[in-house]
Amino acid sequence: GAGVSQSPSNKVTEKGKDVELRCDPISGHTALYWYRQRLGQGLEFLIYFQGNSAPDKSGLPSDRFSAERTGESVSTLTIQRTQQEDSAVYLCASSYLYGNQPQHFGDGTRLSIL
Amino acid sequence: DAKTTQPTSMDCAEGRAANLPCNHSTISGNEYVYWYRQIHSQGPQYIIHGLKNNETNEMASLIITEDRKSSTLILPHATLRDTAVYYCIVRGNNQGGKLIFGQGTELSVKP
Repeated sequence: GAGVSQSPSNKVTEKGKDVELRCDPISGHTALYWYRQRLGQGLEFLIYFQGNSAPDKSGLPSDRFSAERTGESVSTLTIQRTQQEDSAVYLCASSYLYGNQPQHFGDGTRLSIL
Repeated sequence: DAKTTQPTSMDCAEGRAANLPCNHSTISGNEYVYWYRQIHSQGPQYIIHGLKNNETNEMASLIITEDRKSSTLILPHATLRDTAVYYCIVRGNNQGGKLIFGQGTELSVKP
């Protein structure tokens, strides 16, 4: 079946602009996660949507970062007033909510801030 | 911080078995061991996971020691396309959603 889909695959923008990244999870997956991966680094957790519960926002690096999810479908990650240090690959994953179910990742959005 | 320790890099000859070790000496009773890999410019790909029994699927086998303090991921017949960074991660059911990725093992499969 279809995997996690992210768009755009690449985004280049000027410092100070706002950007919006989109994630379409696997159908039926009630949990959705955002991670960030800087060049040559490991993945950093950003935010976790868990069904109808309040999201875990503990990984968001600043108040310029926010994310929304509509029901159990699409999520958007918004970065306001982008800075050069925001340049990274932003990865989305989804999973079934309960138990030991593995997360499945999209291929990410490569964000470059000029 | 990641709860696992893996070698930084390994080489394997094409067609041979690749055995990737992982130490997780502080693993607790309800934590599973997950393996992912990341090929350049792609998102992490789920491989396999287990609690205490050995597991096998179409991609790999996972061998977990009886004391659960270490495990080995086995790719039975490595191909050039298996060249990637392999991540071993431990996580419990009740620990929230996030996966904590360490630096992983960079596996190079050579012809």
